[in-house]
Amino acid sequence: QKEVEQNSGPLSVPEGAIASLNCTYSDRGSQSFFWYRQYSGKSPELIMSIYSNGDKEDGRFTAQLNKASQYVSLLIRDSQPSDSATYLCATGGGADGLTFGKGTHLIIQP
Amino acid sequence: DAMVIQNPRYQVTQFGKPVTLSCSQTLNHNVMYWYQQKSSQAPKLLFHYYDKDFNNEADTPDNFQSRRPNTSFCFLDIRSPGLGDAAMYLCATSPESGAVRYFGPGTRLTVT
Repeated sequence: QKEVEQNSGPLSVPEGAIASLNCTYSDRGSQSFFWYRQYSGKSPELIMSIYSNGDKEDGRFTAQLNKASQYVSLLIRDSQPSDSATYLCATGGGADGLTFGKGTHLIIQP
Repeated sequence: DAMVIQNPRYQVTQFGKPVTLSCSQTLNHNVMYWYQQKSSQAPKLLFHYYDKDFNNEADTPDNFQSRRPNTSFCFLDIRSPGLGDAAMYLCATSPESGAVRYFGPGTRLTVT
């Protein structure tokens, strides 16, 4: 069974610091990796997608993928209180196989 | 510009009373999905359509049905809601299987 594991948190980070969110996955065949942000009571919103080993940067966000270790991470630089949310890691590669983790609850302390 | 629209945003139904949730999209995506998300849990895929081809997840209860009359619309029918069906129901689309999901705002279902 495909699994995506995340530390549920809460992860507390001071404003302005770097928040580091981690995710491991069980399916070696996974090709696509996504990070979604979900505010309480709202639907998930795509933050980053990554498909190749290495780093991908978009503004304050950097996604990192290591397929050999089956590990994907999200770094948020210069953390802001508005970044406080639950971050869902998702992986997929098949016809319908997008598997979500339970999410990490991030709190940015002003 | 709303791309994935869900109605209603909040739905209250009585135990055992059938309810229908709707989803529409302006993206012209081939694939539409229904997810169930309970508090502090991951979204759980219930079904998806690739065009008109219906795909039911193995552990989706028979109580849940879906219809996709055309590319733009998809419906989730819960025939006899139980208290355990209270959740956020998320509709999502993607241009092809395995690609990024575009989520609608969700429908929060309460069962009394």
